[in-house]
Amino acid sequence: NAGVTQTPKFRVLKTGQSMTLLCAQDMNHEYMYWYRQDPGMGLRLIHYSVGEGTTAKGEVPDGYNVSRLKKQNFLLGLESAAPSQTSVYFCASRDPNQPQHFGDGTRLSIL
Amino acid sequence: TQLLEQSPQFLSIQEGENLTVYCNSSSVFSSLQWYRQEPGEGPVLLVTVVTGGEVKKLKRLTFQFGDARKDSSLHITAAQPGDTGLYLCAGPTNTGNQFYFGTGTSLTVIP
Repeated sequence: NAGVTQTPKFRVLKTGQSMTLLCAQDMNHEYMYWYRQDPGMGLRLIHYSVGEGTTAKGEVPDGYNVSRLKKQNFLLGLESAAPSQTSVYFCASRDPNQPQHFGDGTRLSIL
Repeated sequence: TQLLEQSPQFLSIQEGENLTVYCNSSSVFSSLQWYRQEPGEGPVLLVTVVTGGEVKKLKRLTFQFGDARKDSSLHITAAQPGDTGLYLCAGPTNTGNQFYFGTGTSLTVIP
């Protein structure tokens, strides 16, 4: 999965705390995505971006915000973490009509 | 409600056996992708099928896209322990900017 780097790899938060997950890609891809993965649910799209400065809502956007100020970075924010946001978060990037490349995930636990 | 349903959810077989996993939807997709995900890593693309009835082979893996482009199957011949992982199917939205992922099939191949 060289090319898409997620930071941090693990994090434990208390309910109500805030944090930002960082995704960085070095492939100059136009599109970037944030997914969450829960048991038995596959991957669900939270937010995505089709270019620098643009963002759009996915399937499960509530409780999350994103920003794409630089083409290579896509940030996912949790303003007030809730136990329901305990999950594994994956970032992906791609160019139009090309496959997605995924990072190795961020494992987030909300207590 | 998941747009793409995969079955079975879990599968445990002995090395050397054959198996088939399924990805079904009530919606028509322009293409479907298959990914394999190993523990602690992000999904990695195996194949994309784009034509109804299409069959693609990747060594011991055979992928088929349904004639109506609503379903797909993955057949593995003579499974090996290295085939162990989570298999995910995914299909694009009408705009092609987003992807729906299936619920996943977790495969364990016992030596």
